[in-house]
Amino acid sequence: GAGVSQSPSNKVTEKGKDVELRCDPISGHTALYWYRQSLGQGLEFLIYFQGNSAPDKSGLPSDRFSAERTGGSVSTLTIQRTQQEDSAVYLCASTGGGSTDTQYFGPGTRLTVL
Amino acid sequence: AQSVTQPDIHITVSEGASLELRCNYSYGATPYLFWYVQSPGQGLQLLLKYFSGDTLVQGIKGFEAEFKRSQSSFNLRKPSVHWSDAAEYFCAVGAAGNNRKLIWGLGTSLAVNP
Repeated sequence: GAGVSQSPSNKVTEKGKDVELRCDPISGHTALYWYRQSLGQGLEFLIYFQGNSAPDKSGLPSDRFSAERTGGSVSTLTIQRTQQEDSAVYLCASTGGGSTDTQYFGPGTRLTVL
Repeated sequence: AQSVTQPDIHITVSEGASLELRCNYSYGATPYLFWYVQSPGQGLQLLLKYFSGDTLVQGIKGFEAEFKRSQSSFNLRKPSVHWSDAAEYFCAVGAAGNNRKLIWGLGTSLAVNP
């Protein structure tokens, strides 16, 4: 596609519910990242996928967070039993996978947990 | 510890005035440095990046940045600001050879007065 797309653009959920956020990377990009941007904070790395390698999950804040990438393309970030502190904008980025490649970002999903 | 500091949370300039946004980093390895811009309702867009070579790098929209290793800085500059430059600006650093886990500053919000 022309760019990274994310859906939904906005998600409001109740505390304790599970949510799934979707990311469609740029076609042909092998690397995919998830970040979280909380109000007044910088971007926080969550997880990184590169090709068929095991993902780098070191940024996931708790075991309620998980992500998968099917077929090396679309990725889904799942948050189980959401908490109010999970409210943030979740950003996805993709690159060609080279060490100097630029990360191209999607517009983000704004998650609000009531 | 690895970190990026953007000392100015908010800056206001008049249209046509010059601009300098500060970025200081602390990073153990040879850094790759980035400036991204985030406009309201838009995704993060890369303005410019430094990997090696000439320490003065040119970016899009008339922006430039200078890498000063001795000062651990990568300040962003523009000689004449336009009203459309009003946005949030983020500095980020990553390791040479590893484009994962960019470390991000908290951002500088730029307002432009007519």
